[in-house]
Amino acid sequence: EAGVTQFPSHSVIEKGQTVTLRCDPISGHDNLYWYRRVMGKEIKFLLHFVKESKQDESGMPNNRFLAERTGGTYSTLKVQPAELEDSGVYFCASSQDHSMSYEQYFGPGTRLTVT
Amino acid sequence: GENVEQHPSTLSVQEGDSAVIKCTYSDSASNYFPWYKQELGKRPQLIIDIRSNVGEKKDQRIAVTLNKTAKHFSLHITETQPEDSAVYFCAASKAFYDMRFGAGTRLTVKP
Repeated sequence: EAGVTQFPSHSVIEKGQTVTLRCDPISGHDNLYWYRRVMGKEIKFLLHFVKESKQDESGMPNNRFLAERTGGTYSTLKVQPAELEDSGVYFCASSQDHSMSYEQYFGPGTRLTVT
Repeated sequence: GENVEQHPSTLSVQEGDSAVIKCTYSDSASNYFPWYKQELGKRPQLIIDIRSNVGEKKDQRIAVTLNKTAKHFSLHITETQPEDSAVYFCAASKAFYDMRFGAGTRLTVKP
């Protein structure tokens, strides 16, 4: 079974540019989460999709961040325009919608550097 | 919302010794407490988890304890090995919802 995949693995952009990150969850996982980790700090929650609906987007920093999950499969996270403080590793995770397991499976992350 | 505090931020132990990492949470409605291990350059992976209806869970050299009254939970690693060196994150959630992570503990096991 393929795990969670993310693209790209690294992205270096200049302040003011736009970047779109993609996450492909494990097939059949209805729950999809986005997180961000800044060096030395916690894995910070950004938002949670259940299928194509945004269940919780309370962690999104501001309106420069836009997440979508059209069709309830893969998800994209767009940052426009990027600022220096947006740098970090963006993780995507997915989980089944089944009470037997709440485990979230993480992707490898996208390292975003804004210069 | 949920707030998770994790201590210590760094921990260095000698191979064979035990390591303990502690976390506290704020939301008494949280009922799921996973621990993730992230090795350098790799993705976080679940190593053990516990639900609020259980006080302790063990898996070989790893154990987790939960004190719901005090709202804290701990990870215990016995007989540590160099391959246990990694960053460990605790988290708390209400089932699939509201998962919040601690700031991580960098564990170094010296051979």
